[in-house]
Amino acid sequence: AQKVTQAQTEISVVEKEDVTLDCVYETRDTTYYLFWYKQPPSGELVFLIRRNSFDEQNEISGRYSWNFQKSTSSFNFTITASQVVDSAVYFCALSDWRTSGSRLTFGEGTQLTVNP
Amino acid sequence: GAGVSQSPSNKVTEKGKDVELRCDPISGHTALYWYRQSLGQGLEFLIYFQGNSAPDKSGLPSDRFSAERTGGSVSTLTIQRTQQEDSAVYLCASSFTGTEQYFGPGTRLTVT
Repeated sequence: AQKVTQAQTEISVVEKEDVTLDCVYETRDTTYYLFWYKQPPSGELVFLIRRNSFDEQNEISGRYSWNFQKSTSSFNFTITASQVVDSAVYFCALSDWRTSGSRLTFGEGTQLTVNP
Repeated sequence: GAGVSQSPSNKVTEKGKDVELRCDPISGHTALYWYRQSLGQGLEFLIYFQGNSAPDKSGLPSDRFSAERTGGSVSTLTIQRTQQEDSAVYLCASSFTGTEQYFGPGTRLTVT
C-alpha cells in the first residue's frame, strides 16, 4: 500500500532562514506522481508542484525548490529566505495510478511557522 | 477563472440528522474527488468520479456516506444519520484526468 511520511510535525524558523520540509513515500508502482500542497490559515489547499516518477530533475520556482530522489524515496521541499507569509501547513502527497487511480495519499503535514 | 466552490461553508447538525454537501468543480474538469480532513485522521480520500465511469467509492467510511455527480459537473456528498465522529472538514477537488487536483475551500461539518 502507498504511504507518505512527513516526520516533522512542526518547524519554527525566523524570517530569512532557509527551511527544508522532508517527505518520504512508499509505493509498489514504478509510475507515480508526487505533490506538495500548502494550507494557509484560511484553510484552502493550494497546489504547489507535481512531479512524475520518471523525472528526477530538481525544480526551482522562485524561493521554492524541490529535491526528488528515487533512491531514497524522498521528495523534499526547501523554502529559501523564508517569509512570514510562508507560515502554513504543508502536505506532501502521492498518487500511484495503477493501484489507486489518481486519488491522493497525503502525509500528516508539517506546520511551518515563520517568525518576524 | 472560477475555482472549485463548496457549500455550505459551515454546517452544524444534530446527531442522527442527514446532511448534504455540495461541490461545483472547475468548468471542464473531468475528475472530481471528495476528501475529509479531521484532527485524528488527517486528510483521507472518500470518493472519486471520472467522467461517466463508475465512481471509486473505496474510501467511504460507512454505508451512511454516499455521493453522486450529476451531468458530469456538480456533486453532492450525503451523510445519513450523522454521528459525532463525522465532524470534519469535507474537501472537494477537481482536475483534468491524471493531473494536479485543485481544492475548494471545504465545508466544516459539526455534529452536536
